[in-house]
Amino acid sequence: DIQMTQSASSLSASVGDRVSITCRASQVIFDSLAWIQQKPGEAPKSLIYDASNLQSGVPSRFRGSGSGTDFTLTISSLQPEDFATYYCQQYKTFPLTFGGGTKVEI
Amino acid sequence: EMQLVESGGGLVQSGESLRLSCEGSGFIFGAHYMDWVRQAPGKGLEWVGRIENRGQRFNTEYAASVRGRFTISRDDSKMSIYLQMRRLTTADTAVYFCARLSAVPRRYDFDLWGLGTLVTV
Repeated sequence: DIQMTQSASSLSASVGDRVSITCRASQVIFDSLAWIQQKPGEAPKSLIYDASNLQSGVPSRFRGSGSGTDFTLTISSLQPEDFATYYCQQYKTFPLTFGGGTKVEI
Repeated sequence: EMQLVESGGGLVQSGESLRLSCEGSGFIFGAHYMDWVRQAPGKGLEWVGRIENRGQRFNTEYAASVRGRFTISRDDSKMSIYLQMRRLTTADTAVYFCARLSAVPRRYDFDLWGLGTLVTV
């Protein structure tokens, strides 16, 4: 199985900050990576697909980058509604696997 | 509005069975592959399995942890997928989400999620 590692389980930031969340795959997954946002009591929301493409309706302050094994989700200017947990997920091979999540806290 | 709504969760004893449902609305349900993803209390997301569409003969894939115990099926006339869970253990306690895969060719990402239904074993 491909292991997805998010090195930070949490980070603290303020409104307006630039925030970067990293994810590493245990083997090459090319660009078969998604970023998913989850808030308590809400449905998960997909933000990025194929490592760098924005899902429809996602604000442009979210940016995904990387390829191969190392990936980054960057929020250019953190907004109050962005405080949430973020997961990376690979879909290169079965079983699909997720990173452990990074909680962005105030 | 496109949405997915899960139902069927509840409290069961170890060894028992339970069937979850996920109903879609607002989109062409039969065009999409559909997955189940679960989240144990306080934990991260874990993929459970997939059912492909009619064009792929409703092919299924499962995580090793559920293979042989869980079965995914679908009824496109009811815009629904199902997760039949058997021989449940405490390790299966989780919120179960259904998720839709993009119907765009060569895309394999989730583009819509449900709110989930809680299963407690």
